[in-house]
Amino acid sequence: QVQLVQSGAEVRKPGASVKVSCKASGYTVTTYDIDWVRQATGQGLEWMGWMSPNTGNTGYAQKFQGRVTLTRDTSINTAYMELSSLTSEDTAVYYCARGRHHDTSGYLYDFDIWGQGTMVTVSP
Amino acid sequence: DIQMTQSPSSLSASVGDRVTITCRASQSISRYLNWYQQKPGKAPKLLIYAASSLQSGVPSRFSGSGSGTDFTLTINSLQPEDFATYYCQQSYSTLTFGGGTKVEVK
Repeated sequence: QVQLVQSGAEVRKPGASVKVSCKASGYTVTTYDIDWVRQATGQGLEWMGWMSPNTGNTGYAQKFQGRVTLTRDTSINTAYMELSSLTSEDTAVYYCARGRHHDTSGYLYDFDIWGQGTMVTVSP
Repeated sequence: DIQMTQSPSSLSASVGDRVTITCRASQSISRYLNWYQQKPGKAPKLLIYAASSLQSGVPSRFSGSGSGTDFTLTINSLQPEDFATYYCQQSYSTLTFGGGTKVEVK
């Protein structure tokens, strides 16, 4: 069964960092990208960045540049998202998602498998 | 970044209705548009990719159309399990999502 399983809920104080994990199973993790999307309570979806588990290459939304770091450990099929300098605005559910390319153009790209989400609460 | 505008932001419908949701891009994105369904407390689920291709396992009452800047998601004969929030997402450039359309019970 193809799935992404994320780590549990986290609570952090303002200024701290958080690292969320996303373990892939049921497929070869190096054959698909892993993206991260977050959702504040009652709000829409916000894309944060992507990583190629195969090469380690990454790309980040401008909003998160310098604050987010995506890494992976292919030996355990796990991707990580670390977000630093947290504020209350970062309180949200964070999802990892499998990025699927349909061709070599890079444009036909969707998220066909999602993790269950990880709630990150930033509170004094 | 390309802005994605969905309309309406919410709608009320009954089981059996035909529902149409629109998504407009701030510039042409060809057919690089995906649709997702999200239920409360759950992760989004891919419904339609490349504007009109049905994701495997998704019921055929869901369909997508459009290209360029204007896109539509149609649900024919709305079922009880279809009450949810729907998002469009473009993959032409830096990925962005629409604001969502909540389909509620009339």
